[in-house]
Amino acid sequence: DARVTQTPRHKVTEMGQEVTMRCQPILGHNTVFWYRQTMMQGLELLAYFRNRAPLDDSGMPKDRFSAEMPDATLATLKIQPSEPRDSAVYFCASGLSGREKLFFGSGTQLSVL
Amino acid sequence: AQSVAQPEDQVNVAEGNPLTVKCTYSVSGNPYLFWYVQYPNRGLQFLLKYITGDNLVKGSYGFEAEFNKSQTSFHLKKPSALVSDSALYFCAVKRDSSYKLIFGSGTRLLVRP
Repeated sequence: DARVTQTPRHKVTEMGQEVTMRCQPILGHNTVFWYRQTMMQGLELLAYFRNRAPLDDSGMPKDRFSAEMPDATLATLKIQPSEPRDSAVYFCASGLSGREKLFFGSGTQLSVL
Repeated sequence: AQSVAQPEDQVNVAEGNPLTVKCTYSVSGNPYLFWYVQYPNRGLQFLLKYITGDNLVKGSYGFEAEFNKSQTSFHLKKPSALVSDSALYFCAVKRDSSYKLIFGSGTRLLVRP
């Protein structure tokens, strides 16, 4: 059963530390999305990739967040330096361009102390 | 701009009774509409979508949704609720030509035995 895999599932870190979250999209999918979920803001789109190219990162704080796809099997979201307000659940989702259904990973729950 | 409103934070229903979770949307152009469900500590799972055609769309787990263009609504329904349907439900919208999927704030469904 194909699934999107995210690591780590949980991360607790101190303010100022670097955080890297990883996502393995479903094999063959060519679109990857990063979403952040908080109680206050709900689900926010952070970044969008198609065929490994970043097409939209307007939802990310540019000074501290970065997203990359080093290859088709790995997407990364990095926060440096992390701040307490970054505490949230970060979801990766993948899909096929032209198909409307997204498949979500189980998320990375980030706590920045 | 696209937006989605889910006016109810929580919906309570007794097992066996019909359920409705409300959603209204705003989008320029043709809307693509979705419902996703989130169980505790899990990512979102696709339930159903409306793109074109019949206004009544059937999806997973016995759920269906009705597209109403004049009222710009896309309410989720199920004829007979199960306790296992208890979860967080998200309505989402995108423009037909866009990749950007905008989620509502979510509605918690609680089905009591």
